[in-house]
Amino acid sequence: SQTIHQWPATLVQPVGSPLSLECTVEGTSNPNLYWYRQAAGRGLQLLFYSVGIGQISSEVPQNLSASRPQDRQFILSSKKLLLSDSGFYLCAWGTGGDTGELFFGEGSRLTVL
Amino acid sequence: KQEVTQIPAALSVPEGENLVLNCSFTDSAIYNLQWFRQDPGKGLTSLLLIQSSQREQTSGRLNASLDKSSGRSTLYIAASQPGDSATYLCAVLGNMLTFGGGTRLMVKP
Repeated sequence: SQTIHQWPATLVQPVGSPLSLECTVEGTSNPNLYWYRQAAGRGLQLLFYSVGIGQISSEVPQNLSASRPQDRQFILSSKKLLLSDSGFYLCAWGTGGDTGELFFGEGSRLTVL
Repeated sequence: KQEVTQIPAALSVPEGENLVLNCSFTDSAIYNLQWFRQDPGKGLTSLLLIQSSQREQTSGRLNASLDKSSGRSTLYIAASQPGDSATYLCAVLGNMLTFGGGTRLMVKP
């Protein structure tokens, strides 16, 4: 069966520091991969999605970036965090196509101080 | 642009009640609709996926219906339990996946 892992689960970082959140998927190949952010009191916002290695699409301009160095690995990064980057970050994988079922990781809580 | 609305935003019911959560969307050109559950501080757990050609899906005490022409879906929870307390989100897949704002459900013992 497929599983998705996300880490770290919790992170407290000062403003201006770098960020790296990692997500890996097991049990499937060539998944579509997604990074979402869920800010307090707000809905889910799609940040990045990837349909293959090295292929990244950005939905929202920001100081975050994403990379997919391997088929089942998706990394969310920032060189300098802002206070507004605080939130709950969720990685997801999907089968793509018309079925489009989505499966989420456990999330990473980021607090920028 | 697709807009997804969930009503009510919050719901508190006594244990044992049957309840209905609503999800509406503005663009009926969708591939599927997915219902998720999110516990506080946790990721989303997929509950039910309804393809655009389907009318409903059932899993245990959960039943989700889809009326694509009217842009509506309902999640029916039978015989609610305190363990059902969570936020329920619907998401619609069209050109992109769009989430509703969620319904926070509390089932009181």
